[in-house]
Amino acid sequence: NAGVMQNPRHLVRRRGQEARLRCSPMKGHSHVYWYRQLPEEGLKFMVYLQKENIIDESGMPKERFSAEFPKEGPSILRIQQVVRGDSAAYFCASSPRGDTGELFFGEGSRLTVL
Amino acid sequence: EDKVVQSPLSLVVHEGDTVTLNCSYEVTNFRSLLWYKQEKKAPTFLFMLTSSGIEKKSGRLSSILDKKELFSILNITATQTGDSAVYLCAGPNAGGTSYGKLTFGQGTILTVHP
Repeated sequence: NAGVMQNPRHLVRRRGQEARLRCSPMKGHSHVYWYRQLPEEGLKFMVYLQKENIIDESGMPKERFSAEFPKEGPSILRIQQVVRGDSAAYFCASSPRGDTGELFFGEGSRLTVL
Repeated sequence: EDKVVQSPLSLVVHEGDTVTLNCSYEVTNFRSLLWYKQEKKAPTFLFMLTSSGIEKKSGRLSSILDKKELFSILNITATQTGDSAVYLCAGPNAGGTSYGKLTFGQGTILTVHP
């Protein structure tokens, strides 16, 4: 059973460009979470999705950021018009249920904004 | 706002030493407390604690929770260089949409020298 797969592992963008980060959860997992880790900071919750639904986006900036988890295909975190402050590691995690904190994390996508 | 504080922030030991990592938390509606290990990539789950005074053990690692004092410790005995990592403590956010919406501490960086 493959783990949580994230791609790209590294992404470089110039200010104003768009970044798309993809996450394929573990097989059988319908609960997906995105976390952001800024340099020298801890992991911060961004958004929680189940198939086709955003359940909780309270940790996601209201502008420029969006997330989806379509019926078919990976979950996508999209950042429009990136700024230097968006440079961070973005981790996706999945779980078979919503009533557990035991999450399975991907290896992260490291975004660098020049 | 939920708060998870870990100490020490960093620790350097030699192989064979025993270490104790601390986590204090202030959360409304306590549900569980979790420990994760993060090497240079994905955080991996170690323990989930829900009951006071019951030790959870996995090999050389063990953890215990004190719900009254809002405190948990993670012990590692006979440390090895492979234990070098960031150890993260987390609790489900009081927001309540999911147990996977976690508030993480800032982590303890453990370095084990040969």
